[in-house]
Amino acid sequence: DAGVIQSPRHEVTEMGQEVTLRCKPISGHDYLFWYRQTMMRGLELLIYFNNNVPIDDSGMPEDRFSAKMPNASFSTLKIQPSEPRDSAVYFCASSFLPTEAFFGQGTRLTVV
Amino acid sequence: DAKTTQPNSMESNEEEPVHLPCNHSTISGTDYIHWYRQLPSQGPEYVIHGLTSNVNNRMASLAIAEDRKSSTLILHRATLRDAAVYYCILGSGGSNYKLTFGKGTLLTVNP
Repeated sequence: DAGVIQSPRHEVTEMGQEVTLRCKPISGHDYLFWYRQTMMRGLELLIYFNNNVPIDDSGMPEDRFSAKMPNASFSTLKIQPSEPRDSAVYFCASSFLPTEAFFGQGTRLTVV
Repeated sequence: DAKTTQPNSMESNEEEPVHLPCNHSTISGTDYIHWYRQLPSQGPEYVIHGLTSNVNNRMASLAIAEDRKSSTLILHRATLRDAAVYYCILGSGGSNYKLTFGKGTLLTVNP
């Protein structure tokens, strides 16, 4: 398996634009997580899904953020409208066992 | 969520053992202790986990105190590739799927 695949790896967008980050989890994993990492706040869990259903979205910072998982092999994190303070590295991770999560390489988002 | 306390940074020399401590005095009986590491410009990577007993795998060993209020990640022979931020994380109550990362320990390995 190629691991968790995120796209794009880098995204530069202008303030106010919509941004969509994509994630393909490892096949057979039934948990999917979205994290955000900044220097100031470290790694923050935004939302996680189990069997494509959102379980806990308490980490989503604002209504501008939304996440979907239409099927077991694909998830998106959307920011609309984007703001400069959304600049961060966004990680997707997937898990089957409760004790080992596999992370993607991340998407570095810059909002100017 | 139960919290962990780790030193901000540690240094080691190549090919020497490294002991990375973690305090988790408010751990509950069902919390697993997880360790992840993050190499520069990469996503976090699973290292090891445990509940009560000491654990070994190909990457590291995990020593858990008898009262479970602290644990130590042991890298038996540090290499330059082990330079990373190491995170000690407790499973969130009954749900070990939700990992809450702290600031971790930045490990520097000197040649």
